[in-house]
This record gives sequence, C-alpha cells and structure tokens, in this order.
Amino acid sequence: DAGVTQSPTHLIKTRGQHVTLRCSPISGHKSVSWYQQVLGQGPQFIFQYYEKEERGRGNFPDRFSARQFPNYSSELNVNALLLGDSALYLCASSLQTLRTGPGANVLTFGAGSRLTVL
Amino acid sequence: QQQVKQSPQSLIVQKGGISIINCAYENTAFDYFPWYQQFPGKGPALLIAIRPDVSEKKEGRFTISFNKSAKQFSLHIMDSQPGDSATYFCAAGYNFNKFYFGSGTKLNVKP
Repeated sequence: DAGVTQSPTHLIKTRGQHVTLRCSPISGHKSVSWYQQVLGQGPQFIFQYYEKEERGRGNFPDRFSARQFPNYSSELNVNALLLGDSALYLCASSLQTLRTGPGANVLTFGAGSRLTVL
Repeated sequence: QQQVKQSPQSLIVQKGGISIINCAYENTAFDYFPWYQQFPGKGPALLIAIRPDVSEKKEGRFTISFNKSAKQFSLHIMDSQPGDSATYFCAAGYNFNKFYFGSGTKLNVKP
C-alpha cells in the first residue's frame, strides 16, 4: 500500500519565483496537512484541509496558499519566494472524520519536498 | 511564543543505555501528545503517543511519561540501539491535527 507521496523531491528556485508542491495522501485518507521544516528545527504547521475545505492555517504570510482536490490530493503554492522559504515541505495525511474526537488521528508524513531558494 | 519546548538538543548514549528526552508545553487545551522519529532524508514517523488522561504509556522499548500538572512529558528509550540513532520530535495538538512540534533531539547511540 502506497504511503504519502510528494513531488517534486528536490527543487531549486530563485527569489521572486513561485513554486507548486504536490501531495497524494494514503488511499482512504481525507485530510491533508502541510508543514514547513527548516533545517535543524521541528516542523511548523502551515495548512490543514479536510474534505476540500481549509480547517486550519498556521502563522504564515498570504504568499502561502493551498487547495485540496476531489481525489483528496493537495497542492501547496508559495509566491514571491524569499531566501527564508528554503526548507523541507512535508505533507501528512490522516483518516480524519468529523465524528472522531480531537487527537484521535495519526499523521502519516511523506518524505517531503526539499526547496532551495537562491 | 514557543508552544512546545524540547531538550536536550543532542544526546549521546551507549548501546544498551537509556535515552531520555523531555518536553514541556504551554497550552492546557492540547489533548494529544505524539513522538516522532525522523531519519535523514525521510519524513517524521509516529513512534508513540499519549492522551492527557494517562500518566504513562509503554510500547516495546519506548515509554512516554506524562505529568499533566507540570505540563511536561518525556520519552524514554530503554536498551538503546545504534539503529535508534535519529532525530526525535515531541509534539502537541488539538482540533483536527494542528500540531506544534518541539525543536528536535538528535540521538546518537554508540556501539
């Protein structure tokens, strides 16, 4: 059974460009979350989507946006790239249902997309 | 404000020893406390997790101790093995998977 898949695995951009990162969740998982992991730090929450609706947003500027498609895959878009956006971008999926209580869902992470901004 | 504080930043343990990593959190609304293990080039993988109504949870060589009044929790790795060498993250979350992660502990288990 395939895990969470992310593409591309590595990419290099220059300041001011935009980037689109893609994520396919585990089959049957309806929730996708995005995290940014700067080198040497823990992941930071960016977005969470469930059933194609945004359910949570972290403390990131409006240059960051995301969406979830009918097949539950997701895209993270970052505009006007800055040097500080260089990081590993992690996607995680979970079997989220509205009837389960908070904390009841396990996040399964993909291997990430390593973004370098020059 | 950092929601979850983790220590130590790095840890060296001899094979067979006990590795202990500590975390403290701020928000009493957190209701789920997972630990993740991350190897280089990989995403974090869930190791073990605990709810605040339990003071201890054990799975194999891994144990979480939870102190609700002190807002602290820790991971104990018994009989540490070189294969346990990785970076460990504690996290705390509530409300549909918005998790706050600690800064990570790089564990090196020497043979």
